[in-house]
Amino acid sequence: GAVVSQHPSWVICKSGTSVKIECRSLDFQATTMFWYRQFPKQSLMLMATSNEGSKATYEQGVEKDKFLINHASLTLSTLTVTSAHPEDSSFYICSASTGLAGNEQFFGPGTRLTVL
Amino acid sequence: DAKTTQPPSMDCAEGRAANLPCNHSTISGNEYVYWYRQIHSQGPQYIIHGLKNNETNEMASLIITEDRKSSTLILPHATLRDTAVYYCIVRDIQGAQKLVFGQGTRLTINP
Repeated sequence: GAVVSQHPSWVICKSGTSVKIECRSLDFQATTMFWYRQFPKQSLMLMATSNEGSKATYEQGVEKDKFLINHASLTLSTLTVTSAHPEDSSFYICSASTGLAGNEQFFGPGTRLTVL
Repeated sequence: DAKTTQPPSMDCAEGRAANLPCNHSTISGNEYVYWYRQIHSQGPQYIIHGLKNNETNEMASLIITEDRKSSTLILPHATLRDTAVYYCIVRDIQGAQKLVFGQGTRLTINP
């Protein structure tokens, strides 16, 4: 159990276009989902926390108008990178939690975004 | 900021026990110690977590010192597939608190 999927696993897009990444909890209900990004040879950096049915909470320095997060159901959260530029090229990873005390987060396999 | 300190890299021979240390001297009473690992180009994988007692599961053992200021993750019989970056994270047990990743330890298992 506790499987989290992401789609797509990789995407290449042109500069200026928008890209949507989906994160799904397949066998549990995730009241809270987290979005991270990871640049080469660096650690994961939390971008935002999203709770089902409410607005996401963004970490300092992350532009909420550029990285749109929607968590419309207990099993799906989406991250849309708007007007993507080459510096947005990164590995985007989501995680999901039931929100109950002590519950560990389960991570998706990640999405590799390359902006040309 | 990450509340843990780990060596940047370690090597271990295949078949031997890999012991990964972690310092968390500012840990508070409500915080658990979590360990995750990340194999290249994959999402992190949960390994184990504990509060103050030693823990063991099918993947690893976690030894936490009595003062809880440090811990050691033990992979009893390391295989080549255990080569990964291992992250030690302290996290409050209340609700779905975010995980703050440090730089971790890059463990290389050598044949």
